[in-house]
Amino acid sequence: EADIYQTPRYLVIGTGKKITLECSQTMGHDKMYWYQQDPGMELHLIHYSYGVNSTEKGDLSSESTVSRIRTEHFPLTLESARPSHTSQYLCASSGPQGARGYTFGSGTRLTVV
Amino acid sequence: GESVGLHLPTLSVQEGDNSIINCAYSNSASDYFIWYKQESGKGPQFIIDIRSNMDKRQGQRVTVLLNKTVKHLSLQIAATQPGDSAVYFCAVNLGSGYSTLTFGKGTMLLVSP
Repeated sequence: EADIYQTPRYLVIGTGKKITLECSQTMGHDKMYWYQQDPGMELHLIHYSYGVNSTEKGDLSSESTVSRIRTEHFPLTLESARPSHTSQYLCASSGPQGARGYTFGSGTRLTVV
Repeated sequence: GESVGLHLPTLSVQEGDNSIINCAYSNSASDYFIWYKQESGKGPQFIIDIRSNMDKRQGQRVTVLLNKTVKHLSLQIAATQPGDSAVYFCAVNLGSGYSTLTFGKGTMLLVSP
């Protein structure tokens, strides 16, 4: 049973639309992460959070933004979607063990047409 | 920073063979290393990890070897089964105080009966 949930699983949307990808976890983890993954390729960290009201940009520049108002919720927003945003977005969380205790969601596959 | 490299994008083996998947990293300060398995349509799942103060760790049918001298990491899967078919990623962490991971490109393991 998944403890970290991402919705939607698949999304096809037109250029210029605003979208929010949802991520929620029920484990009480402080740390949450968003990774971007192109098919068959490595995961790139785009945002992370170490707790409520804490957000940081990751290694890969992204036009998306995140918020962390509640411990369990870490949504990612694209104000104006473009075809270059087409990718898979993976959310993860970790507890006190940090890197030693990652749990990943199943991902949202986004297609911008 | 850290970069993590791939040795082979695809590995095809026969059921029952042993599989070896390789990974190289660049930062000698890297402290913690993880292997993940990602099946189609799912997020990465933890397989096995190793700290930099070790050079070998064994799990059930899996062994991770770490060679810090040449900054090389490998995953060995014994008696490979069709259910092992997936993409395998290594991930690297800089250690205490850092919870973010840097991922390699991934190797797709194809197991034929």
